[in-house]
This record gives sequence, structure tokens and C-alpha cells, in this order.
Amino acid sequence: DGGITQSPKYLFRKEGQNVTLSCEQNLNHDAMYWYRQDPGQGLRLIYYSQIVNDFQKGDIAEGYSVSREKKESFPLTVTSAQKNPTAFYLCASSPTGARRNQPQHFGDGTRLSIL
Amino acid sequence: AQTVTQSQPEMSVQEAETVTLSCTYDTSESDYYLFWYKQPPSRQMILVIRQEAYKQQNATENRFSVNFQKAAKSFSLKISDSQLGDAAMYFCAYRKNDMRFGAGTRLTVKP
Repeated sequence: DGGITQSPKYLFRKEGQNVTLSCEQNLNHDAMYWYRQDPGQGLRLIYYSQIVNDFQKGDIAEGYSVSREKKESFPLTVTSAQKNPTAFYLCASSPTGARRNQPQHFGDGTRLSIL
Repeated sequence: AQTVTQSQPEMSVQEAETVTLSCTYDTSESDYYLFWYKQPPSRQMILVIRQEAYKQQNATENRFSVNFQKAAKSFSLKISDSQLGDAAMYFCAYRKNDMRFGAGTRLTVKP
């Protein structure tokens, strides 16, 4: 079955450390997204990519970086510049073009905490 | 950036009754898509219903329906015959090129 796989499910970061969250999809979707969700709050867009080797900043990109070297993969790096990284991170994908009326598909999320 | 506003942080409904969740959005675009997602405690994001802005007819999916008012930029969700399993966070979302979400409404269903 097609879907989105996020790993790991739980991640701990030490002070000053960069960590990378994995997101892989086998839905053949062109667009991929990263969201941050804080307790009791909505999803805020970090970065999104509509095509390989191209991505755009969302509303809260500071302290994060991404790459899109393959259509299937969109890893998110939480850098040491992100001073408050503790949150739940959701990856999503969706079609573009004539199929962009289709909804986003989501992974199961990664919970990141500071040690 | 487009903004999506859900003005009701929490709502409560009696089992088998009807409840309406509000959503407004801000955009200068004429062609876009709107969605309602449900997020239970498991944190999975589950699509409830979607609406294309160019369609005048309101979308319906079983007990879920929307009231889409394009001129007013309003997209409310009506849940009929509420069930205990409907209890969750509900997010309204707007899509043009990227996808933006509202802050969510926590729905409680009372037996």
C-alpha cells in the first residue's frame, strides 16, 4: 500500500546538536510538506517542495533546513539555531497540477524533545 | 500568506445532535481548495471533506457537510447525528500552492 513513512517516531536532541527527521513517500506525489504542531495548536508550515531540487520557506523556516534530492524523500534538519525545537512534526505529500484538488496525505509524525 | 481562522477553540455537542464548526479564510485568489481534517488523540490526520472553490454546490460526505460561502470567505463544517467517535481536533485548511491550516477546534461529544 502507498503511504508516507516518517522516522523515527520519537527523537531526542542534545543542546547544540543538529538532528534530521526522515520522510519518505511512495505515492508518486510531486509536492511534499513539513509542519510543526505544538500542544493544543494547529499545524504551522515549515517548508514545502513542489518539485525535486526546489523548495520554499513556510511561515516558520528559521532554524530548519530541507533538501529534495529525490521525489520520494524530503528530510528535515532541525539545526542548533532552532532554540525551541520540542514539538510534533508532521510530513505530508500531495499531487500537483490537474490533481491538486486531491487532499494531502500525512505521515504518523515524529515527536522531538530536548534532552 | 493566506490565513485561516477558526474562531472556536472548543465546541461541545450531545450525542446524536448536530454541531457546526466555523472557518474563515483570507485570500485574493479565485481558484483554490478547502479541506476539513480530523485529528484524534492518535495524532493521525484524517480527511473529512473537501471543496473546490469553483464549485457552488456544497460538498457532503455522509453525516458531514459544508456551508461554503465564497464571497464571505467562509467554510463551516456541519456534523449531523454526532457520534462519540467524532470527538477530536478539527482543522480547516486552505490550499492554493501550499497548504495552510487553522488553529483547530476541539470537539467534545457528550453521551
